[in-house]
Amino acid sequence: DAGVTQSPTHLIKTRGQQVTLRCSPKSGHDTVSWYQQALGQGPQFIFQYYEEEERQRGNFPDRFSGHQFPNYSSELNVNALLLGDSALYLCASLTWGARYGYTFGSGTRLTVV
Amino acid sequence: GNSVTQMEGPVTLSEEAFLTINCTYTATGYPSLFWYVQYPGEGLQLLLKATKADDKGSNKGFEATYRKETTSFHLEKGSVQVSDSAVYFCALIQAGNQFYFGTGTSLTVIP
Repeated sequence: DAGVTQSPTHLIKTRGQQVTLRCSPKSGHDTVSWYQQALGQGPQFIFQYYEEEERQRGNFPDRFSGHQFPNYSSELNVNALLLGDSALYLCASLTWGARYGYTFGSGTRLTVV
Repeated sequence: GNSVTQMEGPVTLSEEAFLTINCTYTATGYPSLFWYVQYPGEGLQLLLKATKADDKGSNKGFEATYRKETTSFHLEKGSVQVSDSAVYFCALIQAGNQFYFGTGTSLTVIP
């Protein structure tokens, strides 16, 4: 049974560009959350998607946007990249309403130069 | 608001030493508490959890007890191994399903 799959694993972008990261949730999960983990820090919540709608959002600017597809997979888009956006982006999936049982992916390492 | 504070590292121990990583939390309700482990270049793996006060989570020799009176969830292991070298994150979650993570504690175990 596949867990959470994220792509790509590594990415290098230039400041000002746009990037799209992808996540396929664990089988049976319908809720996807995204986290940003800067080097040496704990993950910070970006947003959560369920039923193709953003349900919660953390303290991130509008440059960060997302989407969830009918098959529950999700994308994270970041516009106008800044050097400070360099981080590991983690996707986590869950069954909606479950209090715990999150499964995390291995992440996408984004480097902005 | 919600937050997690954990002891700063890095922590270096000899193999078979006793490990304690302190974690305290602030929460407006009754959170569930977690320890996650992250190996180099990888994502987060759930190590253990506790969902209510006085619960003890345990896995692979690691233990942590949910102490509501001291708002703590300290991680302990009686005898660490080289393979335990990783970064450990304390986290909480409550209604709304948003994790709040500590800043992580890096552990290195030397033979």
